[in-house]
Amino acid sequence: AQKVTQAQTEISVVEKEDVTLDCVYETRDTTYYLFWYKQPPSGELVFLIRRNSFDEQNEISGRYSWNFQKSTSSFNFTITASQVVDSAVYFCALSFTGGGNKLTFGTGTQLKVEL
Amino acid sequence: EPEVTQTPSHQVTQMGQEVILRCVPISNHLYFYWYRQILGQKVEFLVSFYNNEISEKSEIFDDQFSVERPDGSNFTLKIRSTKLEDSAMYFCASSEVPPGLGSYEQYFGPGTRLTVT
Repeated sequence: AQKVTQAQTEISVVEKEDVTLDCVYETRDTTYYLFWYKQPPSGELVFLIRRNSFDEQNEISGRYSWNFQKSTSSFNFTITASQVVDSAVYFCALSFTGGGNKLTFGTGTQLKVEL
Repeated sequence: EPEVTQTPSHQVTQMGQEVILRCVPISNHLYFYWYRQILGQKVEFLVSFYNNEISEKSEIFDDQFSVERPDGSNFTLKIRSTKLEDSAMYFCASSEVPPGLGSYEQYFGPGTRLTVT
């Protein structure tokens, strides 16, 4: 069975602080894919990143970075120098081969960035 | 930039009525999905659709639900007899067909908020 756990329900930071959103996953599959999506207050789901299980390189995209560690089954997301526009719910998700590509989502982390 | 569109943005219906939610996936995508999100909760998979048939469905996707690709551009979700607990945001998504057994990112539409009264 697939499971994604985002233990942080809500995080509040002050603008320009760095913040890390945690994601822990469970799967029996040896090949799987991890994703992060952003859901701003307007409600849409915005794709941020996809990672394959066989590629453990960390990735940086502007102020965003992702740390994938198979040893701890974690795929954490860090926002550097947070901004008010980063305020959103962030979802971590998992899919696996042969699963119809369905995404299993975590419960999300509400990030509030204040001035 | 191509995007997934959904209509209507908000649908209010009475319990027991049929509703059809419509989606236009990204034009070169061939894998389609429906998810739902009950207010304040996580996003849940309903069904995936490829090559004119259901690839996988969740336990939520019971006989009250059906999907269809009636033409070359639309993808619909029908709920035959709505219940109060069907009230949720329904998201359509599409992706490219992954090579072999891979998985591509799914691009989501803005959602349809369904309210059943």
